[in-house]
Amino acid sequence: DAKTTQPNSMESNEEEPVHLPCNHSTISGTDYIHWYRQLPSQGPEYVIHGLTSNVNNRMASLAIAEDRKSSTLILHRATLRDAAVYYCRPDKLIFGTGTRLQVFP
Amino acid sequence: DTAVSQTPKYLVTQMGNDKSIKCEQNLGHDTMYWYKQDSKKFLKIMFSYNNKELIINETVPNRFSPKSPDKAHLNLHINSLELGDSAVYFCASSPRRQQAGELFFGEGSRLTVL
Repeated sequence: DAKTTQPNSMESNEEEPVHLPCNHSTISGTDYIHWYRQLPSQGPEYVIHGLTSNVNNRMASLAIAEDRKSSTLILHRATLRDAAVYYCRPDKLIFGTGTRLQVFP
Repeated sequence: DTAVSQTPKYLVTQMGNDKSIKCEQNLGHDTMYWYKQDSKKFLKIMFSYNNKELIINETVPNRFSPKSPDKAHLNLHINSLELGDSAVYFCASSPRRQQAGELFFGEGSRLTVL
């Protein structure tokens, strides 16, 4: 969807925090914001989701802007295994453009 | 013990041929989907079925015909394959139709049309 945009790529060093942004300016008031990641040669896998409040789980944190038009996936300490393409999904079916995260030792 | 399984994983074929990709989920979910991922890694919804009923068809050419014999299976048949059909096709399922539910994806089927 052209209105759900993410940076093409980001880089991080191991053990540093990573903030992956997503702009979803046309999100509806009732749609949850989901994040997925895709490791090489695998299908996307669920990471986290939220509606309005910030959310934490064992994999990541999700920060949602007050107007819900953007969100940020936060990996608190990047590891080499976190290298993947990360997608936001602010619509029930439509995914963002994806951000390829590279993690350097 | 794969939750969402697709076959075949790789498919290489000539233009004009007809091919099918099968998908099965053992999660007891009501809703299944087909997504297409192009070379730029964009994920695009193609179809969605809920309890064997087609609920979403996102302007996909009618050469693509999904079939759901039961709610655990959603197969994708493609007629008269074209070069532009080359992509990775992902099947997914979710527990509730168009809710906040998580999508569970298969590992993908890479289709190459020569």
